[in-house]
Parts: sequence; C-alpha cells; structure tokens
Amino acid sequence: DTGVSQDPRHKITKRGQNVTFRCDPISEHNRLYWYRQTLGQGPEFLTYFQNEAQLEKSRLLSDRFSAERPKGSFSTLEIQRTEQGDSAMYLCASSPKGGQKNEQYFGPGTRLTVT
Amino acid sequence: AQSVTQPDIHITVSEGASLELRCNYSYGATPYLFWYVQSPGQGLQLLLKYFSGDTLVQGIKGFEAEFKRSQSSFNLRKPSVHWSDAAEYFCAVVPFSGGYNKLIFGAGTRLAVHP
Repeated sequence: DTGVSQDPRHKITKRGQNVTFRCDPISEHNRLYWYRQTLGQGPEFLTYFQNEAQLEKSRLLSDRFSAERPKGSFSTLEIQRTEQGDSAMYLCASSPKGGQKNEQYFGPGTRLTVT
Repeated sequence: AQSVTQPDIHITVSEGASLELRCNYSYGATPYLFWYVQSPGQGLQLLLKYFSGDTLVQGIKGFEAEFKRSQSSFNLRKPSVHWSDAAEYFCAVVPFSGGYNKLIFGAGTRLAVHP
C-alpha cells in the first residue's frame, strides 16, 4: 500500500485559469475528503465523498470549485477562473468504511500558487 | 462558537527538554480528539487519538496526550524532545454534530528545537 497520492505536487497558474488536481486514495478506502490549508492555518474541510457520492460540501466551496469521484476510486478537484485567494495547499485524505473513529490518512498535498 | 484553539503559535525548546503543546476545544459533547504532525513538504501524520476510556493516551514517536473534560483540553506532551521533532503540530476534533467524521483543526503550533 503506497498511501494517498496527489498530483501534481505543485501548480503555478495565472489568475483566471482553470486547474484540476487529482487524488488517489488508499485502495479500498471508501471515504475521501478534500481540505484546504492556507499559510499559518490548519486545514479546513472542503468536501467529502462516500464511494462516488458527494455527501457534504463546505460553504468554503464556492461555485468555482467542483469535485468528483466518478467511480468511487480517485477524485478530482477543479477550480475554475482561479483567483489569488485560491492560493493554498489542497490536501486529500481517505479513510476506510466505518464510523467516526476511523483515522484519516493524508496525502502530501498540492500546493497551488495563483499569480 | 464551536472551535479548536491552540494558544501557542510558536514554541522553542532545547533538545532533551520536555514539551507540552496546548489544545482546547469548544463543543457541547466531548468530540473525538486527535493530534497530527506536519513536517515541511510532508502530509499530515497522526500521532494519537482519543475516543473514550483512559484519559492518558500514548502515541507514536514517544508522544502522549491527556484528555481533561473539566478543562475541555487535550494537551500533547513529550518528556524529551529530539531535533527531528521540529515540525508543526495540529490538534483536531471530530464533533458529533458534524457528521461524516470530517476533521476540524486548530491553527497549529510550530515547534522549533535548539541543539
């Protein structure tokens, strides 16, 4: 098991461009989470998938953000018309089926810089 | 408002000295409690967790944490710090009302270790 992987690790884009990030969870983990971490802050929850169903979205996830997990395996997070305020580390985590006690395993993150 | 507070933004200790990082939470019921560590360029790694039972929990890398219901605290401790412990430490909770075990993080405490 190689853990949660994220691609790319770094992305620099110009304001107004669209970007897409990918997360591959630990195999057989049916729960997948996206978090955003800005400088000097802890991660903030963005959205949650159970299998392919997106069950919760934070109000932080504006209309410019969309996330998918089409086959219940990998997930993508797309940001349209990026703004400088979108610059952050985007973290993905996964956890196995079960209750709230399950540990979330985090990937290394994708650092987005919007110029 | 529901929140997780880490009062210390930065802490510096000498190698070999003891360490205590503070965490307070503000939730009606005792949430599930976690400590994560984040090293530069690395993802978040779980140090330890508390769900119920014995209020002193042991984790990896020689860390322990004590849950004190009366103080709504979950402080992280280590008796003797090593230079490799320099990192950022995050306290996190899963509130019962939140659903789907999304993590709510504090702002983090950055630990520096002097030789």
